[in-house]
Amino acid sequence: DTEVTQTPKHLVMGMTNKKSLKCEQHMGHRAMYWYKQKAKKPPELMFVYSYEKLSINESVPSRFSPECPNSSLLNLHLHALQPEDSALYLCASSQDSLSGYTFGSGTRLTVV
Amino acid sequence: AQKVTQAQTEISVVEKEDVTLDCVYETRDTTYYLFWYKQPPSGELVFLIRRNSFDEQNEISGRYSWNFQKSTSSFNFTITASQVVDSAVYFCALSERVGYSTLTFGKGTMLLVSP
Repeated sequence: DTEVTQTPKHLVMGMTNKKSLKCEQHMGHRAMYWYKQKAKKPPELMFVYSYEKLSINESVPSRFSPECPNSSLLNLHLHALQPEDSALYLCASSQDSLSGYTFGSGTRLTVV
Repeated sequence: AQKVTQAQTEISVVEKEDVTLDCVYETRDTTYYLFWYKQPPSGELVFLIRRNSFDEQNEISGRYSWNFQKSTSSFNFTITASQVVDSAVYFCALSERVGYSTLTFGKGTMLLVSP
């Protein structure tokens, strides 16, 4: 299995909703990442987990809450989002820089 | 701080033309890694190539080729005999630290190949 699987592929949520994005990989990678990508922009790093511990938080608002339950799973809990949070959310994993990064296909989030 | 510049915002070519996408990077590290990713309209980022800073050998993979020149801090990507399926946004990216480091992306170049 050489894939990063993200669910759901599309999500529409209201500003008062609570939802979660899920990411799963079975490649034994020890680092997992959340990126946010707005239309016509490059991906921007949000969080990095290394060995299931949060190692980088790029000053992301608290309405985004990451969680890494185990080495294969990465969640992003969403609460009280704003319309400007609408974007493509990409999950990635890596073993190290030598092996590169594998990205999931993303979740297209729309906040209404 | 690291930086990746893709000066070409959008390129339009006709099928079978050759096209080169430019990438210039800045870094203070002597050890770093350069990547190219393709992002089709469906959204996923498809890994194309990784190159480390100690390997300046150019690489060819089918219709794709990459030219890495440390002297000019460039890592350019050429598609030979372009096809409509090559239409996508292409990102050049840089990773500085060995280990669980992060990617710094360029702004991307949108390539449109028309029949």
